[in-house]
Amino acid sequence: KAGVTQTPRYLIKTRGQQVTLSCSPISGHRSVSWYQQTPGQGLQFLFEYFSETQRNKGNFPGRFSGRQFSNSRSEMNVSTLELGDSALYLCASSLRLDSSYGYTFGSGTRLTVV
Amino acid sequence: GQQVMQIPQYQHVQEGEDFTTYCNSSTTLSNIQWYKQRPGGHPVFLIQLVKSGEVKKQKRLTFQFGEAKKNSSLHITATQTTDVGTYFCAGRTSGGSNYKLTFGKGTLLTVNP
Repeated sequence: KAGVTQTPRYLIKTRGQQVTLSCSPISGHRSVSWYQQTPGQGLQFLFEYFSETQRNKGNFPGRFSGRQFSNSRSEMNVSTLELGDSALYLCASSLRLDSSYGYTFGSGTRLTVV
Repeated sequence: GQQVMQIPQYQHVQEGEDFTTYCNSSTTLSNIQWYKQRPGGHPVFLIQLVKSGEVKKQKRLTFQFGEAKKNSSLHITATQTTDVGTYFCAGRTSGGSNYKLTFGKGTLLTVNP
């Protein structure tokens, strides 16, 4: 079966712009989580959605937002981009909200803010 | 909030040597998961441990969950160049609807052939 698909793979944006990233989970997976990965901070949890509802949120400013659609696809949006937002954004899907079968990660979107 | 510490941050070994990474949580965990991320890749799920004192093996990899469910370890016997990558532990606390996984910062393993 198809894995987790994230688009786009690479993105270059200017400070102050906004960006929308997309994630299509594995078919049948209803839980989608987003993580920011940087060399210094590792994997930082952004938010988790299950059945179109945000179930958990990490400690990121309100410029970071997300949503999940009825087909479980998810988007995350970052407004007013800052240089420090440059990172690999990873989406992970799981069968259950408690990810008891583990997360399946997408290949990520590499965002560069200049 | 919950913190998951992982040591060492880096480990370089000669091929054939053993390798161990340790994970410690500030709070009791309901379960812990381990992931491997190859250079340039994304994290891949390896295993989940749930029970106190649990030990699981996958070929040359041995995973342990501490008796108090606050620490875990991953041991690789006789490393190979294919073991290169960053190994992450991720802990989940129990209770309520807070199911988020907290990842350690990972241990980068390099193997000299």
